[in-house]
Amino acid sequence: DIQMTQSPSSLSASVGDRVTITCQASQDISNYLNWYQQKPGKAPKLLIYDASNLETGVPSRFSGSGSGTDFTFTISSLQPEDIATYYCQQYDNLYTFGQGTKLEIK
Amino acid sequence: QLQLQESGPGLVKPSETLSLTCTVSGGSISSSSYYWGWIRQPPGKGLEWIGSIYYSGSTYYNPSLKSRVTISVDTSKNQFSLKLSSVTAADTAVYYCARLGRIEGAFDIWGQGTMVTVSS
Repeated sequence: DIQMTQSPSSLSASVGDRVTITCQASQDISNYLNWYQQKPGKAPKLLIYDASNLETGVPSRFSGSGSGTDFTFTISSLQPEDIATYYCQQYDNLYTFGQGTKLEIK
Repeated sequence: QLQLQESGPGLVKPSETLSLTCTVSGGSISSSSYYWGWIRQPPGKGLEWIGSIYYSGSTYYNPSLKSRVTISVDTSKNQFSLKLSSVTAADTAVYYCARLGRIEGAFDIWGQGTMVTVSS
């Protein structure tokens, strides 16, 4: 099984801040990594696929990078509507999600 | 616009079988470009992939649940279904169905989710 470890588990930031979340895979997954946003009581929403490709309609302040075992998700300028939990997900071998990063406004 | 909608009992007794159906509207479940999957989320916890199915009926499951899971598809009704046997309180969760891209492996369209509680 491929394990996905996100850090931090929670994060508090101010509007306008640059926010970075990392995701580490337990083995090389190339770029087979996606990122999701989940707001309370809602289904997850795909933001980034293949590590760095922005899903259609997703604001450009969201970005992703990385390959192999280490990946980064960035919000360039935090907006109030970005308050959510963010998950990474690998698809190199079946599908595994990270444990999530809860993002709050400071 | 493609939409997915989960349906099924919200309460299941321990040791019984949880059964849910996902109805796809606004598009065909028989698209060659996609799989269809089930994901669950226990209250206050993270996401767990349960399993996925192709319109042809080929399936693959989370190894940790494989012995208890069956996913099937009914292309005539544009639906796919989940059965999870021998449930316990640990299976209490919001269950989501989602479309899964064959190439990029991303769950790009999700149902709203349905809460299933396992309790006597």
